[in-house]
Amino acid sequence: KQEVTQIPAALSVPEGENLVLNCSFTDSAIYNLQWFRQDPGKGLTSLLLIQSSQREQTSGRLNASLDKSSGRSTLYIAASQPGDSATYLCAVRNYGGSQGNLIFGKGTKLSVKP
Amino acid sequence: EAQVTQNPRYLITVTGKKLTVTCSQNMNHEYMSWYRQDPGLGLRQIYYSMNVEVTDKGDVPEGYKVSRKEKRNFPLILESPSPNQTSLYFCASSTQGVNSPLHFGNGTRLTVT
Repeated sequence: KQEVTQIPAALSVPEGENLVLNCSFTDSAIYNLQWFRQDPGKGLTSLLLIQSSQREQTSGRLNASLDKSSGRSTLYIAASQPGDSATYLCAVRNYGGSQGNLIFGKGTKLSVKP
Repeated sequence: EAQVTQNPRYLITVTGKKLTVTCSQNMNHEYMSWYRQDPGLGLRQIYYSMNVEVTDKGDVPEGYKVSRKEKRNFPLILESPSPNQTSLYFCASSTQGVNSPLHFGNGTRLTVT
C-alpha cells in the first residue's frame, strides 16, 4: 500500500531564505506526483505536477524534482517571502488507482518570518 | 472565473439528520471527487465520478452517498450523520487523463454533535 511521508511537519524560516521541502513515497509505480499549497480556510491549490517520466518542473520561484526510483521528491522555494506561509502537500497517483485518487502526505507547515 | 464551488462552507448538525453538501464546477470537467481531511490522517478519498451517471467508491465511502446527474454537479449526501463524520470536506475536479491536475473547492467544515 502506497504511503507518502513529508518531513519536516513544520518549518520556520526568515524571509529571503531558500528552502527545501521533502516528500517520500514507498511504491514507485506512479503516474505522477503533485505539489499543492493549502492556506487556512481555503482549498488546495495545485503548484506543480511532475509526470513519472520527468525529473523536474519549475514555476517561478518553485522547483520540484522527482526521483522515482528512490521514491523521493523535493520542492525548492527560492528567496522565500511571508506570502509563502502555508501548508505544502505532496500527493502521488498510483498505477491502477482511480483517476485522481491521489495519495497525500500529511503536509509541511511553512512559516516565513518577515 | 474557473472554479469549484462548495456549499455550505460551515455546517453544524446533529446526529441522524440528513444533509447534503453541494459541489459545482464550471470547467466542463468529466472527473469529480470528494475528499475528507482529518488531523493526523491527511486527505482521503470518499467517492469519485468519471462522468455523468458513473460513480465509484474511494477509500472511505462508508456513511456517504453521491450522485452525478449533471456534469457540473456532484453532491455529497450524508443520510444519517454521525460524530465520526465531523471533518473538513473537499470537492475536486479535473479533465480526463492520468496527468490532469486536480482543482479543489474551498472546503466545507462539518461538525456533527
